[in-house]
Amino acid sequence: AQKVTQAQTEISVVEKEDVTLDCVYETRDTTYYLFWYKQPPSGELVFLIRRNSFDEQNEISGRYSWNFQKSTSSFNFTITASQVVDSAVYFCALSELRSSASKIIFGSGTRLSIRP
Amino acid sequence: DVKVTQSSRYLVKRTGEKVFLECVQDMDHENMFWYRQDPGLGLRLIYFSYDVKMKEKGDIPEGYSVSREKKERFSLILESASTNQTSMYLCASSLPSIFGEQYFGPGTRLTVT
Repeated sequence: AQKVTQAQTEISVVEKEDVTLDCVYETRDTTYYLFWYKQPPSGELVFLIRRNSFDEQNEISGRYSWNFQKSTSSFNFTITASQVVDSAVYFCALSELRSSASKIIFGSGTRLSIRP
Repeated sequence: DVKVTQSSRYLVKRTGEKVFLECVQDMDHENMFWYRQDPGLGLRLIYFSYDVKMKEKGDIPEGYSVSREKKERFSLILESASTNQTSMYLCASSLPSIFGEQYFGPGTRLTVT
């Protein structure tokens, strides 16, 4: 069965520390996509990144970086030099292709708090 | 700028009432989704629609129904609201592809008393 596990329920760090959010997934599909979303206190989920199953290159975007490893079925997210504005709930997600439409399976989320 | 809007940010209803949650997107997306979000459970899919008048059950459809009469609008209906349907409801839309990321509305926090 398709599944996304975010074992870290809550993380709290002091500003400027680096922090890594873990994501482990399970899928039967050979072609799939992985996503990270951010949900700030305002409530609206914001898309951060998409990665397809054939591209294991790490990606960096400013202070954000993502490490995709098929061998361990993991897609971890690292924030470097964290800032208070990074405080949010972060969701890892996996696409699932059904006969009628693609769906996304979400993990349970990690609440990240950055203390000044 | 892409936009998904939901009719209410906060809603309070009584047990047994019929409740309508409306979602509108302006991106001409084929797919639309309704999720509920509860602490510790993440987002769970209630229903989705891949075309006008087409719908499919998600993981937790019991107690809900949906309507999609126009491409831009997707309604979630609670036929007889119950207290265990108190939750945050999120609407999303996407293009019809496996790599189409979903765009979310701001959510409706529904309280059933």
